Amino acid sequence: EDQVTQSPEALRLQEGESSSLNCSYTVSGLRGLFWYRQDPGKGPEFLFTLYSAGEEKEKERLKATLTKKESFLHITAPKPEDSATYLCAVDSNYQLIWGAGTKLIIKP
Amino acid sequence: DAGVTQSPTHLIKTRGQQVTLRCSPKSGHDTVSWYQQALGQGPQFIFQYYEEEERQRGNFPDRFSGHQFPNYSSELNVNALLLGDSALYLCASSIRQTNEQFFGPGTRLTVL
Repeated sequence: EDQVTQSPEALRLQEGESSSLNCSYTVSGLRGLFWYRQDPGKGPEFLFTLYSAGEEKEKERLKATLTKKESFLHITAPKPEDSATYLCAVDSNYQLIWGAGTKLIIKP
Repeated sequence: DAGVTQSPTHLIKTRGQQVTLRCSPKSGHDTVSWYQQALGQGPQFIFQYYEEEERQRGNFPDRFSGHQFPNYSSELNVNALLLGDSALYLCASSIRQTNEQFFGPGTRLTVL
């Protein structure tokens, strides 16, 4: 069964304290892995698409990497405005399978 | 350039009623997907419309139905509402069924 698991469920960091979020997946045919950011009460905002192991993408303080079994979202020197829930999804046979997300809180 | 829009923003219904939610895709997009998101969970795929036809469907009962119009906008209909249907309903649009999807703000449905 296709499955996406994100860890940790929640992460509290001090402003400037770098860390990583994990997304592990088990799918029959990976056609892409997606990272989204979601603020409370709003729709997910697209961040990155990764297609093959070894691929990396960067945007401001965020960097996403992909291996054959998992993806990491690295956040460098985060700011309070980076606080949100970060969702990972995989495209398995043209359907998106979603993780439950990691709630990131950055304290000033 | 307008992004994905959804209406209404919030909706309160009672059990057994029917509801219709609406979505207009991002300019240039022709595919609309609908998701249900419970509090603290990731979105769950309901179905996807492309060229006015339902192309894929997730594990949702027939009470959930939809439609896509010639201008690519879409509706989600839910019949015989249950308390468990309370959730944030998200619409996402993309080009030709690719899964790089852009989401609307969602409709918060509360069933009492």
